[in-house]
Amino acid sequence: EDQVTQSPEALRLQEGESSSLNCSYTVSGLRGLFWYRQDPGKGPEFLFTLYSAGEEKEKERLKATLTKKESFLHITAPKPEDSATYLCAVQPNSNSNSGYALNFGKGTSLLVTP
Amino acid sequence: DVKVTQSSRYLVKRTGEKVFLECVQDMDHENMFWYRQDPGLGLRLIYFSYDVKMKEKGDIPEGYSVSREKKERFSLILESASTNQTSMYLCASSLGGASNRLDEQFFGPGTRLTVL
Repeated sequence: EDQVTQSPEALRLQEGESSSLNCSYTVSGLRGLFWYRQDPGKGPEFLFTLYSAGEEKEKERLKATLTKKESFLHITAPKPEDSATYLCAVQPNSNSNSGYALNFGKGTSLLVTP
Repeated sequence: DVKVTQSSRYLVKRTGEKVFLECVQDMDHENMFWYRQDPGLGLRLIYFSYDVKMKEKGDIPEGYSVSREKKERFSLILESASTNQTSMYLCASSLGGASNRLDEQFFGPGTRLTVL
C-alpha cells in the first residue's frame, strides 16, 4: 500500500534559523512528488513538482530535493510569513485513470517566530 | 493562473438535509477532485472525475455522490448529511489528458461544512 509520512508533525523555528522538513514515501512506482503550502482556513497552494531522484527545485527561501525514498523541503533563513502547514503528496506510476490521484501526507505545521 | 472556486466558504446544515457543494475551474482542466480534510487525518480523497460524466471513487466515498455535467463544474452531494460529515471540503483540478500524466493539482479555498 502506498504511504506518505511527514516529519516532524510540528516545528517551531526562530526567524533566520534554517531547517528541513522530511517526506518519506513508499510507492510501487513514483511518477511525481509534490509540495504544497497551506495557510489556516485556506486551500493548499502548489509549490513544487519533483519526479526523479537527484532533482532539486528552489523558490525564494525554499528548496525541495528528492531521493528514491524521501524528499526534503529545506527552509533557509525563514521569516514569520513562512509559517504554514507544508504538505507532501505522491503520484503513483499507473496507466489507469486512478493514476491521477495523489496520496497526501498529514503535513508539517511550521511556526516561525520573530 | 488557475482559478478554482467553491460556492460557499462556510455552510451550516441540519442532520438529514441534502447538501450540494459546487466547484468551478476556469482552466479547461480534465480532472477534478473532492477531498475532505480533518485534523490528524490529513487530506482524504472522496471522488474524482477525469472527464464529463465520468467519476471514480476515492478512499472514502461512503455517504457522498458526485456529478459532472459540464467540464468546468464538479458537484459533491451529501444525500443525507450526518454529524460525522462535519469537515473542511476541498475541491481541486488538474490538467489531465493522456499526455499529461505528471499532474499537479490546484485547489479551491475550501468549504467549512458544519452539520448540526
